[in-house]
Amino acid sequence: QKEVEQNSGPLSVPEGAIASLNCTYSDRGSQSFFWYRQYSGKSPELIMSIYSNGDKEDGRFTAQLNKASQYVSLLIRDSQPSDSATYLCAVNIRGFKTIFGAGTRLFVKA
Amino acid sequence: EAGVAQSPRYKIIEKRQSVAFWCNPISGHATLYWYQQILGQGPKLLIQFQNNGVVDDSQLPKDRFSAERLKGVDSTLKIQPAKLEDSAVYLCASSPSGVTDTQYFGPGTRLTVL
Repeated sequence: QKEVEQNSGPLSVPEGAIASLNCTYSDRGSQSFFWYRQYSGKSPELIMSIYSNGDKEDGRFTAQLNKASQYVSLLIRDSQPSDSATYLCAVNIRGFKTIFGAGTRLFVKA
Repeated sequence: EAGVAQSPRYKIIEKRQSVAFWCNPISGHATLYWYQQILGQGPKLLIQFQNNGVVDDSQLPKDRFSAERLKGVDSTLKIQPAKLEDSAVYLCASSPSGVTDTQYFGPGTRLTVL
């Protein structure tokens, strides 16, 4: 089992729809969770960080964490073509190191 | 605030040659990371420094890769000799204190090994 797993996609949604990106992790001692966005040919940039169970909202983005089920998700509301990118889930393992998932490619169709 | 700087941005070498990459983190950031990102995959941690000490280098191929962070500021990653499978983007990132912090990435160095 991989330490951090994501659906590779691609996930295709129409403009204005909600995009839902999921991530599961294997280590119950994981403490911090991050979503990074990576445009093609560019480096990752932070979208959201979440540390406790529940929802965290920032503009059109909502991160959801469920430690009991070991998953973290990212919802993008009112998706725009500019949201088309690869979304990387990153999990900090026991305060020691951060593991990145393989990423989910998102396409938002105009 | 200046971001993470990396050079060169692109490098093409032949197999068995050596190559070095340079990274200057955000000023004041104690933790520095080197990642390898192969096309279509997520970043894979090669080495992590806390100030000038190594925290984790478990995935660094030590027979060919080496890294140092002198004086706890900028860092150099070297590959010698390079193999075809080393073709990737090498990302440097820094964070203020530890791994629970947000990481800020540099633009990366795209390495092609022929």
